Amino acid sequence: DTAVSQTPKYLVTQMGNDKSIKCEQNLGHDTMYWYKQDSKKFLKIMFSYNNKELIINETVPNRFSPKSPDKAHLNLHINSLELGDSAVYFCASSQGQGRFFGPGTRLTVL
Amino acid sequence: GQQLNQSPQSMFIQEGEDVSMNCTSSSIFNTWLWYKQDPGEGPVLLIALYKAGELTSNGRLTAQFGITRKDSFLNISASIPSDVGIYFCAGQLGMNNAGNMLTFGGGTRLMVKP
Repeated sequence: DTAVSQTPKYLVTQMGNDKSIKCEQNLGHDTMYWYKQDSKKFLKIMFSYNNKELIINETVPNRFSPKSPDKAHLNLHINSLELGDSAVYFCASSQGQGRFFGPGTRLTVL
Repeated sequence: GQQLNQSPQSMFIQEGEDVSMNCTSSSIFNTWLWYKQDPGEGPVLLIALYKAGELTSNGRLTAQFGITRKDSFLNISASIPSDVGIYFCAGQLGMNNAGNMLTFGGGTRLMVKP
């Protein structure tokens, strides 16, 4: 059974479009995250969401917004996509230590 | 903010060799974690360290939490081709996870010569 799943796996889109990436975890974890991994493989936290508390990395543009319909889902919406948004986006969840990561969504903005 | 310096950035090794990589921080962490990322996949937790000086093994992997709480190392013994991947260290301030951010090192890319 998949613990943390993301869709789509690949996303290719034009600059200026709006897109969403979905994430679901079946681990019963309370906290979910979105990370961005750039071409140099640096992993940077974007958001942390625990019940009703959203913690935002201040460096994340407000074009990015997480939306959690319930505890098991944390979707990422991106408005007005830019070339620099091209990266791999990872969803993760945790309950205590560490993180369980999803397989990633490779976003390419043309 | 916290910075984690991970070295080496990449390394080639012969199959069967032992590998060592380390991570240093400008700040103290209370938890150190080591992850491995295979191509096209998300990082997977290998070892978690919770106490300064702690030495923990997971099969051929051994990791230690530095006594100063500002560093950690990971050793892989008798490397095999499937050890290829990117290894990340990560530091966390709190013991309880909620809201505590994980800071990642830049990764060590391990490449094994068959």
